[in-house]
Amino acid sequence: QLQLQESGSGLVKPSQTLSLTCAVSGGSISSGGYSWSWIRQPPGKGLEWIGYIYHSGSTYYNPSLKSRVTISVDRSKNQFSLKLSSVTAADTAVYYCARGQGSYYPYWGQGTLVTVSS
Amino acid sequence: EIVLTQSPATLSLSPGERATLSCRASQSVSSYLAWYQQKPGQAPRLLIYDASNRATGIPARFSGSGSGTDFTLTISSLEPEDFAVYYCQQRSNWPPVTFGPGTKVDIK
Repeated sequence: QLQLQESGSGLVKPSQTLSLTCAVSGGSISSGGYSWSWIRQPPGKGLEWIGYIYHSGSTYYNPSLKSRVTISVDRSKNQFSLKLSSVTAADTAVYYCARGQGSYYPYWGQGTLVTVSS
Repeated sequence: EIVLTQSPATLSLSPGERATLSCRASQSVSSYLAWYQQKPGQAPRLLIYDASNRATGIPARFSGSGSGTDFTLTISSLEPEDFAVYYCQQRSNWPPVTFGPGTKVDIK
């Protein structure tokens, strides 16, 4: 059974860089046909797609965040990561990692709350 | 960017009743639309993909229909565990993948 687990700092200061990692178990991140994605949800609000990386290493980002986002893969650790730079309070959200198939998301991590505050 | 709108924002129903949720896209997404269920404190759960296909393990009381710009999620008879927020999501024209704002189904 595929499992995803987010980890990283839960509190980030404004203007700094948010860094999260998603550990994948029960499956290989190098398996073809899947995208490895980040999606976020501000408290009490809806879902926003951040971007994803394919098994090939190709990345696709939400144009609204593209200038600040980097998604990368560490195949040796079977995990992928998110970096979001120059954060503001508007970046406060629960961040989910997910595995996509055809850009639908049947597998999600439990989510991790990141608060941007000084 | 394709914008998804969902209606109603809140649907108040009793267990055993039929729920009909709507999702409208700002331009055609063909059949590239999914539905998710989210309960408080949990990640979303994929229910329906490609407008009408149930995901693995999803009960038959959940069904999806529609194509182009207008889509419907129907829950034929609400069970107590179905009271939640439901989101639609399109993958037709990306990036970005986009989600609707959600419909909350609560107990009347």
